[in-house]
Amino acid sequence: EAGVAQSPRYKIIEKRQSVAFWCNPISGHATLYWYQQILGQGPKLLIQFQNNGVVDDSQLPKDRFSAERLKGVDSTLKIQPAKLEDSAVYLCASSPGTSGGLEQYFGPGTRLTVT
Amino acid sequence: QKEVEQNSGPLSVPEGAIASLNCTYSDRGSQSFFWYRQYSGKSPELIMFIYSNGDKEDGRFTAQLNKASQYVSLLIRDSQPSDSATYLCAVNTNAGKSTFGDGTTLTVKP
Repeated sequence: EAGVAQSPRYKIIEKRQSVAFWCNPISGHATLYWYQQILGQGPKLLIQFQNNGVVDDSQLPKDRFSAERLKGVDSTLKIQPAKLEDSAVYLCASSPGTSGGLEQYFGPGTRLTVT
Repeated sequence: QKEVEQNSGPLSVPEGAIASLNCTYSDRGSQSFFWYRQYSGKSPELIMFIYSNGDKEDGRFTAQLNKASQYVSLLIRDSQPSDSATYLCAVNTNAGKSTFGDGTTLTVKP
Protein backbone atom coordinates (compact mmCIF):
# COMPACT_ATOMS: atom_id res chain seq x y z
CA GLU A 1 0.00 0.00 0.00
CA ALA A 2 1.40 3.37 -0.99
CA GLY A 3 1.96 5.88 1.79
CA VAL A 4 1.08 9.54 1.98
CA ALA A 5 2.74 11.46 -0.85
CA GLN A 6 3.79 15.08 -0.65
CA SER A 7 5.48 17.47 -3.03
CA PRO A 8 7.69 19.31 -3.29
CA ARG A 9 10.08 18.00 -0.65
CA TYR A 10 11.96 21.26 -0.35
CA LYS A 11 11.12 24.83 -1.28
CA ILE A 12 13.01 28.09 -0.86
CA ILE A 13 11.18 31.34 -1.51
CA GLU A 14 11.55 34.98 -0.64
CA LYS A 15 9.20 36.69 1.77
CA ARG A 16 6.00 38.00 0.19
CA GLN A 17 6.11 35.31 -2.48
CA SER A 18 3.49 32.59 -2.69
CA VAL A 19 3.93 28.82 -2.44
CA ALA A 20 1.73 25.75 -2.72
CA PHE A 21 2.11 22.26 -1.32
CA TRP A 22 0.38 19.13 -2.53
CA CYS A 23 -0.66 16.01 -0.63
CA ASN A 24 -2.08 12.69 -1.79
CA PRO A 25 -3.31 10.62 1.17
CA ILE A 26 -3.43 6.87 1.50
CA SER A 27 -6.17 5.50 -0.71
CA GLY A 28 -9.51 5.34 1.06
CA HIS A 29 -8.49 7.49 4.02
CA ALA A 30 -11.31 9.84 4.89
CA THR A 31 -9.47 12.27 7.13
CA LEU A 32 -6.59 14.47 6.03
CA TYR A 33 -4.53 16.78 8.21
CA TRP A 34 -2.05 19.55 7.48
CA TYR A 35 0.47 20.36 10.19
CA GLN A 36 3.18 22.95 10.57
CA GLN A 37 6.25 21.79 12.47
CA ILE A 38 8.80 24.38 13.51
CA LEU A 39 12.21 23.06 14.53
CA GLY A 40 12.17 21.86 18.13
CA GLN A 41 8.39 21.84 18.40
CA GLY A 42 5.66 19.32 17.88
CA PRO A 43 3.38 19.36 14.85
CA LYS A 44 0.76 22.11 15.05
CA LEU A 45 -2.54 21.37 13.35
CA LEU A 46 -3.40 23.87 10.64
CA ILE A 47 -6.47 22.25 9.12
CA GLN A 48 -8.34 18.95 9.25
CA PHE A 49 -10.60 17.65 6.48
CA GLN A 50 -13.08 14.81 6.66
CA ASN A 51 -13.72 13.77 3.09
CA ASN A 52 -13.90 17.20 1.43
CA GLY A 53 -15.34 19.12 4.37
CA VAL A 54 -13.36 21.15 6.90
CA VAL A 55 -13.59 19.86 10.47
CA ASP A 56 -11.12 22.19 12.17
CA ASP A 57 -9.23 25.19 10.82
CA SER A 58 -9.08 27.18 14.03
CA GLN A 59 -5.29 27.53 13.90
CA LEU A 60 -5.00 28.31 10.20
CA PRO A 61 -3.84 31.92 9.61
CA LYS A 62 -6.60 32.60 7.14
CA ASP A 63 -5.26 35.95 6.03
CA ARG A 64 -2.40 34.18 4.29
CA PHE A 65 -3.01 30.42 4.35
CA SER A 66 -5.64 28.53 2.40
CA ALA A 67 -6.30 24.86 1.83
CA GLU A 68 -8.66 22.76 -0.17
CA ARG A 69 -9.40 19.10 -0.65
CA LEU A 70 -11.13 18.51 -3.92
CA LYS A 71 -13.29 15.41 -4.35
CA GLY A 72 -12.22 14.24 -0.90
CA VAL A 73 -8.85 12.98 -2.08
CA ASP A 74 -5.84 15.20 -2.89
CA SER A 75 -5.26 18.41 -1.00
CA THR A 76 -3.30 21.60 -1.54
CA LEU A 77 -2.08 24.09 1.04
CA LYS A 78 -1.17 27.59 -0.12
CA ILE A 79 0.65 30.45 1.55
CA GLN A 80 0.32 33.92 0.08
CA PRO A 81 2.22 36.06 0.93
CA ALA A 82 4.86 34.14 2.87
CA LYS A 83 6.56 35.55 5.95
CA LEU A 84 9.91 34.64 7.49
CA GLU A 85 8.12 32.91 10.38
CA ASP A 86 6.48 30.49 7.94
CA SER A 87 9.82 28.66 7.62
CA ALA A 88 8.97 25.18 8.84
CA VAL A 89 8.23 21.63 7.74
CA TYR A 90 4.68 21.18 6.47
CA LEU A 91 3.40 17.71 7.18
CA CYS A 92 0.39 16.05 5.64
CA ALA A 93 -1.19 13.08 7.40
CA SER A 94 -4.18 10.88 6.75
CA SER A 95 -6.33 8.64 8.89
CA PRO A 96 -8.63 5.84 7.77
CA GLY A 97 -11.74 6.86 9.72
CA THR A 98 -13.67 9.91 10.76
CA SER A 99 -13.58 9.42 14.50
CA GLY A 100 -10.75 10.46 16.75
CA GLY A 101 -9.71 6.99 17.66
CA LEU A 102 -7.52 6.18 14.73
CA GLU A 103 -3.85 6.68 14.11
CA GLN A 104 -2.40 9.04 11.56
CA TYR A 105 0.02 8.23 8.79
CA PHE A 106 2.41 10.99 7.85
CA GLY A 107 3.92 11.94 4.55
CA PRO A 108 7.62 12.88 4.24
CA GLY A 109 6.88 16.59 4.64
CA THR A 110 7.84 19.71 2.73
CA ARG A 111 10.64 21.80 4.19
CA LEU A 112 9.94 25.47 3.47
CA THR A 113 12.59 28.14 3.87
CA VAL A 114 11.50 31.75 3.56
CA THR A 115 14.36 34.22 3.07
CA GLN B 1 -0.87 26.06 29.94
CA LYS B 2 -0.26 23.96 26.85
CA GLU B 3 -2.94 21.42 25.95
CA VAL B 4 -0.38 18.60 25.83
CA GLU B 5 2.83 18.80 27.83
CA GLN B 6 5.79 16.46 27.76
CA ASN B 7 9.05 16.14 29.71
CA SER B 8 11.22 18.97 28.45
CA GLY B 9 14.17 16.60 27.99
CA PRO B 10 16.55 15.77 26.59
CA LEU B 11 16.58 12.36 28.21
CA SER B 12 19.69 10.23 28.15
CA VAL B 13 19.80 6.58 29.22
CA PRO B 14 22.42 3.85 28.86
CA GLU B 15 21.83 0.98 26.50
CA GLY B 16 19.70 -1.70 28.12
CA ALA B 17 18.04 0.65 30.61
CA ILE B 18 14.38 1.62 30.85
CA ALA B 19 13.43 4.97 29.34
CA SER B 20 10.35 6.66 30.78
CA LEU B 21 8.54 9.35 28.81
CA ASN B 22 5.66 11.31 30.28
CA CYS B 23 2.79 13.35 28.93
CA THR B 24 -0.04 15.29 30.55
CA TYR B 25 -3.09 16.75 28.82
CA SER B 26 -5.67 19.33 29.77
CA ASP B 27 -8.81 18.35 27.80
CA ARG B 28 -10.87 15.91 29.88
CA GLY B 29 -12.83 15.07 26.72
CA SER B 30 -9.77 13.40 25.22
CA GLN B 31 -10.46 9.83 24.22
CA SER B 32 -7.47 8.38 22.43
CA PHE B 33 -3.77 8.72 23.02
CA PHE B 34 -0.88 8.06 20.71
CA TRP B 35 2.88 7.89 20.86
CA TYR B 36 4.84 8.70 17.72
CA ARG B 37 8.56 8.45 17.16
CA GLN B 38 10.32 11.01 14.99
CA TYR B 39 13.88 10.55 13.86
CA SER B 40 15.82 13.69 13.00
CA GLY B 41 14.80 14.96 9.59
CA LYS B 42 12.00 12.40 9.23
CA SER B 43 8.26 12.48 9.75
CA PRO B 44 6.50 10.99 12.78
CA GLU B 45 5.63 7.30 12.81
CA LEU B 46 3.18 5.60 15.13
CA ILE B 47 4.57 3.45 17.94
CA MET B 48 1.53 2.79 20.10
CA PHE B 49 -1.97 3.92 20.89
CA ILE B 50 -4.05 3.47 24.03
CA TYR B 51 -7.71 4.18 24.74
CA SER B 52 -8.43 2.67 28.15
CA ASN B 53 -6.99 3.23 31.60
CA GLY B 54 -4.16 0.89 32.48
CA ASP B 55 -1.21 -0.54 30.67
CA LYS B 56 -0.79 -1.72 27.12
CA GLU B 57 2.30 -3.63 26.11
CA ASP B 58 3.78 -4.16 22.65
CA GLY B 59 7.19 -5.76 22.62
CA ARG B 60 9.63 -3.51 24.45
CA PHE B 61 7.10 -0.68 24.64
CA THR B 62 4.46 -0.14 27.32
CA ALA B 63 1.94 2.68 27.25
CA GLN B 64 0.21 3.66 30.48
CA LEU B 65 -2.93 5.77 30.75
CA ASN B 66 -4.56 7.38 33.77
CA LYS B 67 -7.51 9.48 32.67
CA ALA B 68 -8.31 10.66 36.18
CA SER B 69 -4.84 12.18 36.44
CA GLN B 70 -4.84 13.15 32.73
CA TYR B 71 -1.53 11.41 32.32
CA VAL B 72 -0.09 9.07 29.73
CA SER B 73 3.38 7.59 29.64
CA LEU B 74 5.58 5.43 27.46
CA LEU B 75 8.14 3.02 28.85
CA ILE B 76 10.85 1.60 26.63
CA ARG B 77 12.53 -1.46 28.10
CA ASP B 78 15.99 -2.66 27.09
CA SER B 79 16.63 0.64 25.32
CA GLN B 80 18.73 0.43 22.16
CA PRO B 81 20.75 3.14 20.38
CA SER B 82 18.23 2.83 17.54
CA ASP B 83 15.57 4.12 19.95
CA SER B 84 17.33 7.50 19.97
CA ALA B 85 14.72 9.88 18.57
CA THR B 86 12.11 12.44 19.57
CA TYR B 87 8.94 10.93 21.02
CA LEU B 88 5.72 12.81 20.44
CA CYS B 89 2.59 12.40 22.52
CA ALA B 90 -0.67 13.06 20.65
CA VAL B 91 -4.12 13.36 22.18
CA ASN B 92 -7.37 13.07 20.20
CA THR B 93 -10.88 14.06 21.08
CA ASN B 94 -13.81 11.98 19.87
CA ALA B 95 -14.33 14.45 17.05
CA GLY B 96 -10.85 13.67 15.81
CA LYS B 97 -9.17 16.89 16.89
CA SER B 98 -5.54 15.99 17.35
CA THR B 99 -3.07 17.88 19.54
CA PHE B 100 0.61 17.06 19.78
CA GLY B 101 3.10 17.81 22.51
CA ASP B 102 6.48 19.29 21.67
CA GLY B 103 8.19 15.95 22.15
CA THR B 104 10.93 14.56 24.34
CA THR B 105 14.29 13.79 22.77
CA LEU B 106 15.74 10.48 23.90
CA THR B 107 19.38 9.52 23.52
CA VAL B 108 20.42 5.94 24.25
CA LYS B 109 24.15 5.71 24.83
CA PRO B 110 25.98 2.47 23.91
